[in-house]
Amino acid sequence: KQEVTQIPAALSVPEGENLVLNCSFTDSAIYNLQWFRQDPGKGLTSLLLIQSSQREQTSGRLNASLDKSSGRSTLYIAASQPGDSATYLCAVLETGYALNFGKGTSLLVTP
Amino acid sequence: DTAVSQTPKYLVTQMGNDKSIKCEQNLGHDTMYWYKQDSKKFLKIMFSYNNKELIINETVPNRFSPKSPDKAHLNLHINSLELGDSAVYFCASSQTPNTEAFFGQGTRLTVV
Repeated sequence: KQEVTQIPAALSVPEGENLVLNCSFTDSAIYNLQWFRQDPGKGLTSLLLIQSSQREQTSGRLNASLDKSSGRSTLYIAASQPGDSATYLCAVLETGYALNFGKGTSLLVTP
Repeated sequence: DTAVSQTPKYLVTQMGNDKSIKCEQNLGHDTMYWYKQDSKKFLKIMFSYNNKELIINETVPNRFSPKSPDKAHLNLHINSLELGDSAVYFCASSQTPNTEAFFGQGTRLTVV
């Protein structure tokens, strides 16, 4: 059974720092991997989607990488801002199923 | 325009009641989902429909019944509500079962 783990569970950094969020999954037979952001009391916002055949995706200050063989993905946030404070969720999709989520990393960026 | 919208946003009800949560998407997607986020913030799939056909039905109590009147709507009806049903329920949609998913803002259900 697929298990998705996110490390760290919580992270606090000063504004301006570059940071890395980690996601690992136990079964490498995934179709794609998606990173989301969840603000308190809000829904999920899709940040980046990486197909299983891709190595990375970039959107603005965000860069997500995927190493399917080792079961790992990282989300890199450059020059963090207080507005980046949120919970970041990693989810993997296996063919014929639905997104399987990690428990998230709660990020706080302090001014 | 909200892409995936759920109503209501908040729902407080007594144990034993029956309630429904509605979801609509205006993205023209074929696939819709219901997820449950528990008190520990863990998100788990409950149901998925593709072209109005049920394709995923996780191990949830049969008090939960999804209904898809058309491809743009997926409603969730819950009978005989229990305290343990308290959670945030998210609706989502994707073009096909293997493409990017978009989520609604969630419905916070509190059973008292």
